[in-house]
Amino acid sequence: ETGVTQSPTHLIKTRGQQVTLRCSSQSGHNTVSWYQQALGQGPQFIFQYYREEENGRGNFPPRFSGLQFPNYSSELNVNALELDDSALYLCASSPDPDGGQFFGPGTRLTVL
Amino acid sequence: GESVGLHLPTLSVQEGDNSIINCAYSNSASDYFIWYKQESGKGPQFIIDIRSNMDKRQGQRVTVLLNKTVKHLSLQIAATQPGDSAVYFCAENGSGGSNYKLTFGKGTLLTVNP
Repeated sequence: ETGVTQSPTHLIKTRGQQVTLRCSSQSGHNTVSWYQQALGQGPQFIFQYYREEENGRGNFPPRFSGLQFPNYSSELNVNALELDDSALYLCASSPDPDGGQFFGPGTRLTVL
Repeated sequence: GESVGLHLPTLSVQEGDNSIINCAYSNSASDYFIWYKQESGKGPQFIIDIRSNMDKRQGQRVTVLLNKTVKHLSLQIAATQPGDSAVYFCAENGSGGSNYKLTFGKGTLLTVNP
């Protein structure tokens, strides 16, 4: 196990709602990256947080936002949920922005 | 644009055989590559990585080969075991010099038959 934890494990929301997903990074890691993995696809980079600031962003709209806290845990927030947001959301922590990324088990989000 | 693709979506091998999973990348600026294993219902598990200043790197039962000339990456698994059955992804950093943004391929499903 990587020591990266995510909550909740599963979540069901309806279109238009907002959701918050949480991630606790591995001890000693100060960087958290978030990915979206659609069924049958590889993970797609959403953004990375380093020392409580966004450190890079993929091709996702502004309704995807995040936070990182002083203890390096992180949240992913998605507003105005759409059906296509249904996916596995993965969090990966690393010892620094350029370090190897270690993934948590993911949160399975279903939007109805 | 950057893309990472896999030659074969599925690979079936007999227990004890060696497995080779291939990956092609298109961004010549990529300088860091990682192989991940993902079992059903779990997050990707780091297997091995390699930087572009190397062409081979070995781990426990795994070897990664990098051919920058043809932009090709492969993962070799020795003496494949049933526990190796999973989807394998290669990932690249895509932009060169910054590892934070990993670009993943679609994955190869490896099935190990007993």
